[in-house]
Amino acid sequence: SQKIEQNSEALNIQEGKTATLTCNYTNYSPAYLQWYRQDPGRGPVFLLLIRENEKEKRKERLKVTFDTTLKQSLFHITASQPADSATYLCALANTGGFKTIFGAGTRLFVKA
Amino acid sequence: GAGVSQSPSNKVTEKGKDVELRCDPISGHTALYWYRQRLGQGLEFLIYFQGNSAPDKSGLPSDRFSAERTGESVSTLTIQRTQQEDSAVYLCASSPRSVTGQGSPLHFGNGTRLTVT
Repeated sequence: SQKIEQNSEALNIQEGKTATLTCNYTNYSPAYLQWYRQDPGRGPVFLLLIRENEKEKRKERLKVTFDTTLKQSLFHITASQPADSATYLCALANTGGFKTIFGAGTRLFVKA
Repeated sequence: GAGVSQSPSNKVTEKGKDVELRCDPISGHTALYWYRQRLGQGLEFLIYFQGNSAPDKSGLPSDRFSAERTGESVSTLTIQRTQQEDSAVYLCASSPRSVTGQGSPLHFGNGTRLTVT
């Protein structure tokens, strides 16, 4: 069955460092991959989308890579800030895009 | 503009009762999704609407769950004869996704927290 794996352990980093989160998937050939941020008690908020024919996407301090051979995406936050502390969710969708499936998320803590 | 609105924000119900959860999508968004999120877990896909048609109901956990949508507007998720295992946050999202699927992001509401006692 289709599976998305994100590191279930929380990631603790120091302010100013780069945070790197991993998303691995199996039994799926997504047309595109998305990253969302979720704060406690709130719905997820869209951050970045990368398509299967793109290797890398950047937006301000965020960078996403997508390796369809390894079936892996890496999400980087450079110059991290305490305000970046949240849960980050990886999501995949096929060409039809109807059924977007999500990973369980990785909790990030940025210490001042 | 207004985002996705869900009501109620919290619902406590007794086991065996029926509940209705409401979602008001962003105006003009043709696609609407329902997800369930149990405590500390990821989002579990329930159902997807394109307009008022539901091409994919594969995620509905049982026949106690049903959903409707009026045109490209409000959707309701109904859970009949609630069980304690139904306790979770139910999230709704909308998207301006076209039939061809261009990878539009999902816009989420803040969810309805359902507690079945």
